[in-house]
This record gives sequence, C-alpha cells and structure tokens, in this order.
Amino acid sequence: AQSVTQLGSHVSVSEGALVLLRCNYSSSVPPYLFWYVQYPNQGLQLLLKYTTGATLVKGINGFEAEFKKSETSFHLTKPSAHMSDAAEYFCAVSSRYTNAGKSTFGDGTTLTVKP
Amino acid sequence: DTAVSQTPKYLVTQMGNDKSIKCEQNLGHDTMYWYKQDSKKFLKIMFSYNNKELIINETVPNRFSPKSPDKAHLNLHINSLELGDSAVYFCASSPSEMAGGYEQYFGPGTRLTVT
Repeated sequence: AQSVTQLGSHVSVSEGALVLLRCNYSSSVPPYLFWYVQYPNQGLQLLLKYTTGATLVKGINGFEAEFKKSETSFHLTKPSAHMSDAAEYFCAVSSRYTNAGKSTFGDGTTLTVKP
Repeated sequence: DTAVSQTPKYLVTQMGNDKSIKCEQNLGHDTMYWYKQDSKKFLKIMFSYNNKELIINETVPNRFSPKSPDKAHLNLHINSLELGDSAVYFCASSPSEMAGGYEQYFGPGTRLTVT
C-alpha cells in the first residue's frame, strides 16, 4: 500500500521568499513521486517527477524537489516566490508495481503569496 | 492541440437525472482515469482503463458507469444523480511505465452541480 502526507494544508509566503511545501510518502516498493499544481478552475499540471536516478529533480517554473529515501520525503522548493505561484499543490506516489500506474494523491497544500 | 479534453465544462442538472461526461486524449496514452474532486479539493480516483479494459474500480456507486469505446476516449455516465455527486470530475491519461513512469495529464475538469 502507498500513501502520501502533505504537511500543512495552507502555506503563506511573501513574494520573493522561499517556498517549501512538505511531502512524506509511504511505500513498500521503490516509489515514483510527483508534484502537481492546480491553478483556479483548471486541471492538475505536472510540475516535476522522480522515478530513478538523480535525487534532486528540477521542474517547471523554477521548482525543484529532492527525494530523500532515509526520510521518506519529497519536499518541493522554490527559492523566490512569485504571485503567479499561488495555487493548490499536490504530491503523489506511484510505482512500477502499482496497478495500472495508479497514483495516490495527498490532500493538497494551498499556497498563498503575499505582495 | 489540446492534450486531454472534456465536455461539457459545466453541467447543472436536477436530482434524479442521468448525465454523461466525455473525455478524449490525443497523447497516444494507453491508460485513462476518472477522478472526483470535492469542495475541499480532495482528489479521489474512481476508475482506470488500460487499452479499453477496466483496471481500477474504486468504491464508487453503481450509478456511475464508465465506458471506453477506444483507448483515446473514456466517458462517464451517471444515473439518478444525487446532491452528493456535485463535484469537479477530472479525466486524466498516462503513458506506460516504459515511456517514463506514470505521470498523469489532466483535462480541464467538468464542474457538476446537482440541484
């Protein structure tokens, strides 16, 4: 079984500040990990993913995440927040052993960016 | 050149009615999904099809019936609509594990309101 916990349902940062969204996962097999972003009234869009290889993954819009197996974490960061980063962010876990590539999603974190 | 499209975008109907939502993807993916997102933004998988075959059927009332006429299309029919069915329904597709690892591409969503 797989699960994802996103710590903090709401995160607020000032424009230009560091963005840190936390994600911890549980998986009995090597995981595939994903971050998605959902802007208001839109579908989810892939930000970045980790499958194998380099543990520091770079994504779109300046975001990156680091896979830490020892901590079972996959936190999302961005050095400097922009107003346009305000959105809902979802962490998800899957694996090559998962039925039909089913992903388990976290409950989401709402990011607010203050001017 | 929309990747995953859904129709309609908005659907307002009365309790007891039957309605359908259609989804099409032009990405050549083998796997397609239906998700329900409630008012708190929680995302719940409902169904998954792989090459027209039902793979995942989560605990969803029998009033919901998916149908995949071909691997590029996945429709959702809902009978006897209830107030609790009000939500945003997302269609998604994903490539095979060999193609990179199960990231999902989401449609824009269908906002269903049952009155």
